[in-house]
Amino acid sequence: EPEVTQTPSHQVTQMGQEVILRCVPISNHLYFYWYRQILGQKVEFLVSFYNNEISEKSEIFDDQFSVERPDGSNFTLKIRSTKLEDSAMYFCASSVQGRSSPLHFGNGTRLTVT
Amino acid sequence: DQQVKQNSPSLSVQEGRISILNCDYTNSMFDYFLWYKKYPAEGPTFLISISSIKDKNEDGRFTVFLNKSAKHLSLHIVPSQPGDSAVYFCAAGSPNDYKLSFGAGTTVTVRA
Repeated sequence: EPEVTQTPSHQVTQMGQEVILRCVPISNHLYFYWYRQILGQKVEFLVSFYNNEISEKSEIFDDQFSVERPDGSNFTLKIRSTKLEDSAMYFCASSVQGRSSPLHFGNGTRLTVT
Repeated sequence: DQQVKQNSPSLSVQEGRISILNCDYTNSMFDYFLWYKKYPAEGPTFLISISSIKDKNEDGRFTVFLNKSAKHLSLHIVPSQPGDSAVYFCAAGSPNDYKLSFGAGTTVTVRA
């Protein structure tokens, strides 16, 4: 069964450094997402992406965050200057349609900011 | 975001019996509801969904019930199996946006 893959599985970085989290969505999916889960908290929406542009973003997704689809397969989340509070599990997801369509999640990248 | 609530943080059930997980929501714009299962160190896995035009959807051992007037949905797992031990998330979406709002999750433990 096709799946969403994320790399790396764990990333440790120092505060103020830039990180790029990578995802390969399911190949025939058109909508891509990033969610995060801070330890002990809910899964939170960050951003959705369709047709090479952001379709929706949350208030968490400020100027420190950006997303890109650099080629036909990868989807990346960049955090420009990491803060301690960015430490979380970051999940990439994709779906066939944008609404009323189940999201398929990757296994996540655990980001630890020290 | 308190729009989706799972008030039971945990549930323990004996193998072979029914597991019933509950979820409440406050946003009347939600029209699409999903249940996800999550094992440690893995991402959420889609289980079953229901749109607001239905009140029940069944897929094998999993059935989701939706009560729109009460803004409540539930997931029934029958019969429960040891492999069902996981965290279960309720999620909801609206026609106005792309995001899903998640509940806090319920940890299910199936006892042999």
